[in-house]
Amino acid sequence: TAGITQAPTSQILAAGRSMTLRCTQDMRHNAMYWYRQDLGLGLRLIHYSNTAGTTGKGEVPDGYSVSRANTDDFPLTLASAVPSQTSVYFCASRLAGSDTQYFGPGTRLTVL
Amino acid sequence: AQSVTQLDSQVPVFEEAPVELRCNYSSSVSVYLFWYVQYPNQGLQLLLKYLSGSTLVKGINGFEAEFNKSQTSFHLRKPSVHISDTAEYFCAVSAIHTGTASKLTFGTGTRLQVTL
Repeated sequence: TAGITQAPTSQILAAGRSMTLRCTQDMRHNAMYWYRQDLGLGLRLIHYSNTAGTTGKGEVPDGYSVSRANTDDFPLTLASAVPSQTSVYFCASRLAGSDTQYFGPGTRLTVL
Repeated sequence: AQSVTQLDSQVPVFEEAPVELRCNYSSSVSVYLFWYVQYPNQGLQLLLKYLSGSTLVKGINGFEAEFNKSQTSFHLRKPSVHISDTAEYFCAVSAIHTGTASKLTFGTGTRLQVTL
């Protein structure tokens, strides 16, 4: 099974440009999450979604937006990228009733 | 709100030696506890979790962890490490709620470096 896929694998982006990071899961999990991973800071939650049609803000939501039009997809958009958004971004999902999150392989984003 | 402290950013150890990676947490509510492992250039993989019951939890790859409520700790141990255990290890907690997403709060990670 594919599990969770993320695209692109890596990207270099000019500051001020917009970018959408894609996340797709084929496990029919209800909840999905976006984290950023920065050296010395661990993983921090950006946005989450309990179920299709709903989203919520995490610990570091500023500068990011998400949508959840269906169960499988949870794209993360940077409307106007800044260098501080250089990070590795991980998407995760969880089945309702379970407490285990499953992570995708990540997207390495560099904003110059 | 919850917080997680991983006291050691790096732990060097020789192959076949025992290792303990420390994790302490703070929370005003009861929590579930997790350890995730991240191999180089990969996503996170669940090692083990404590939800309830026995405080000694066994996970994959020979790892185990013990929940100590009085010390608010969840240290990870392995009696004999292998070169392939070289990775970043993250401790995480999730508040026990009903009807809400199980948001994870992560520690800053511990880099386990196993050498011959």
